[in-house]
Amino acid sequence: SQTIHQWPATLVQPVGSPLSLECTVEGTSNPNLYWYRQAAGRGLQLLFYSVGIGQISSEVPQNLSASRPQDRQFILSSKKLLLSDSGFYLCAWNLPGGRETQYFGPGTRLLVL
Amino acid sequence: DQQVKQNSPSLSVQEGRISILNCDYTNSMFDYFLWYKKYPAEGPTFLISISSIKDKNEDGRFTVFLNKSAKHLSLHIVPSQPGDSAVYFCAASGPGKLIFGQGTELSVKP
Repeated sequence: SQTIHQWPATLVQPVGSPLSLECTVEGTSNPNLYWYRQAAGRGLQLLFYSVGIGQISSEVPQNLSASRPQDRQFILSSKKLLLSDSGFYLCAWNLPGGRETQYFGPGTRLLVL
Repeated sequence: DQQVKQNSPSLSVQEGRISILNCDYTNSMFDYFLWYKKYPAEGPTFLISISSIKDKNEDGRFTVFLNKSAKHLSLHIVPSQPGDSAVYFCAASGPGKLIFGQGTELSVKP
């Protein structure tokens, strides 16, 4: 069966510091991968998605970037965090084709102080 | 422009009664819809989906209804249980991605 992992679970970072969040999927090949953010009391905002290694699509202009160095690894990064980057970050996957149900990881809570 | 809307941010229901969560969409090209349930500090979990070729899909206590002419779908939970208390998101399948509503927080009171 497929599983999706995210780490760390919680992160407190000072403004201006770098960020690296990691997501890995097991039990499937060539998945589509997604990064979402849920700000406090808000819905799910799609940040990036990837249909393959090195292929990244950005949904909104922002302070963050994403990379996919391996088939089942998706990384969310920032060179300098802003206060507004605080939120709950979720990674998700689905089967190629994009119409299939997405399955979410446990999330990372990021607090920028 | 928000293509998927959940106009009720919260809903409170008594245990044992029916919970009805609503969702509206604007793009008539959407043809696959999903509902997710989310507890605080956890990732959303998939609940139930429906294709546009159907108007109803049932799974245990959960039923999703689709009204294509009204561009409206709803999730019925019968009977509601305290463990159903969570935020519920509807989503529509767009090209290469899901488009989520803002969520409705359901509270089921014992």
